[in-house]
Order: sequence, then C-alpha cells, then structure tokens
Amino acid sequence: DVKVTQSSRYLVKRTGEKVFLECVQDMDHENMFWYRQDPGLGLRLIYFSYDVKMKEKGDIPEGYSVSREKKERFSLILESASTNQTSMYLCASSLIQGRRTNEKLFFGSGTQLSVL
Amino acid sequence: QQPVQSPQAVILREGEDAVINCSSSKALYSVHWYRQKHGEAPVFLMILLKGGEQKGHEKISASFNEKKQQSSLYLTASQLSYSGTYFCGTPVNTGNQFYFGTGTSLTVIP
Repeated sequence: DVKVTQSSRYLVKRTGEKVFLECVQDMDHENMFWYRQDPGLGLRLIYFSYDVKMKEKGDIPEGYSVSREKKERFSLILESASTNQTSMYLCASSLIQGRRTNEKLFFGSGTQLSVL
Repeated sequence: QQPVQSPQAVILREGEDAVINCSSSKALYSVHWYRQKHGEAPVFLMILLKGGEQKGHEKISASFNEKKQQSSLYLTASQLSYSGTYFCGTPVNTGNQFYFGTGTSLTVIP
C-alpha cells in the first residue's frame, strides 16, 4: 500500500516564524499536492508538483511556498506564519494523470498547525 | 476552480438514505469521491470517468452527468460507519491539478 507520511501531526508556532511542513511518499508518484482544510471550505489546493523541481500554484498560494528537490519529498513552507494560516494541512500524492484516468490520490494523516 | 457540494451537512438515522451533490462551474471530465472520518486521512471511494456513468460501492453509489457538470453520491440504508465528511474531486486543465469540493459532513445516529 502507498504510504504518505507527514512529519508532524500537531504543530504550534508563533506569528512570524518560518514553518516547514514535510511530506514523503514511498510509491514513486509523480504528482504531489498540498491542501488546507477548513470547516465549510473543504480542501483547498495550495500548490502541486508534477515532477522534481516543478511546481504550480493552486487556488490559495499566497503566504506559502513549496520545494521539491527529490521525487519522494514535497515541502510546504510558510515564510512568516500568520494566525490566519492556522489550519489542517493535508499532503497527497498520485501517479501522473490526465483528465480521465483512474489514478486516485493517497493522503497523509495531516498536520494540524496552530499559529499563535 | 473548486466544485460546490450540497448539502453542507446532514444528519441521518441509521437506515435512512442521503444524496450528496457536487456541482462545477467548469467542465467536469471525471469525478472522484472520497470520505474522511474524523481525525483520519481522506480515503478514496470511487471514480466516474464518463458522462452517464453510475457506479456502486456496497450501498454507496454515484452518478455523473457530464453535460450538467454535476455528480451525485447516493448512500442507502445508512450505517453508523458512513459518518464522515465526503468530498468530490476533479482533475482540471491537463489533469495534474486536482481540486476538491467544499465537503459534506454526514452524521449517522442510532
């Protein structure tokens, strides 16, 4: 089974701190995604990557950056954390896919980030 | 880009049925459905690849109306284990971007 591992389950940071959220997958997936989950808003795409060193913005990239130096690892960076970035962050991965493919996404367990 | 789901939340008694709708303002080429139990990662349920397709997964099934850019998830004779948040999702553009809907919280009570 595919395993997607997020480095921390809970994280508490202070406003202005630089925060790194790490995600590692073990199935050689090309695609990796970062979402944030907030009540009533569902899962919103922050960034995704379809290859090493490749990244594209999702719907809400402001205040975030990403890094993908190795295929298995996709990092989300909050350059200067703010209280409105308090949220659940979910990482996911999948094989490369087109508009009509059977490639499903596999998720990590999430990181609940609190910014005080 | 994000599909809209309705209802936002629903409470059912065991044995009752529910329908969750997913609607997109952009073309839907395929639709995924996922369920997330409290405190856990979302888990894949099913994919619908073609307009008009219907699929079943135990007592959970789904339909896809490509022309209307909509999909619906049907839960029949609900069980306590069906409780969770349901998300539809869809690939956009070339397919590698993947957007999820706003989510529907389903609670089944005895």
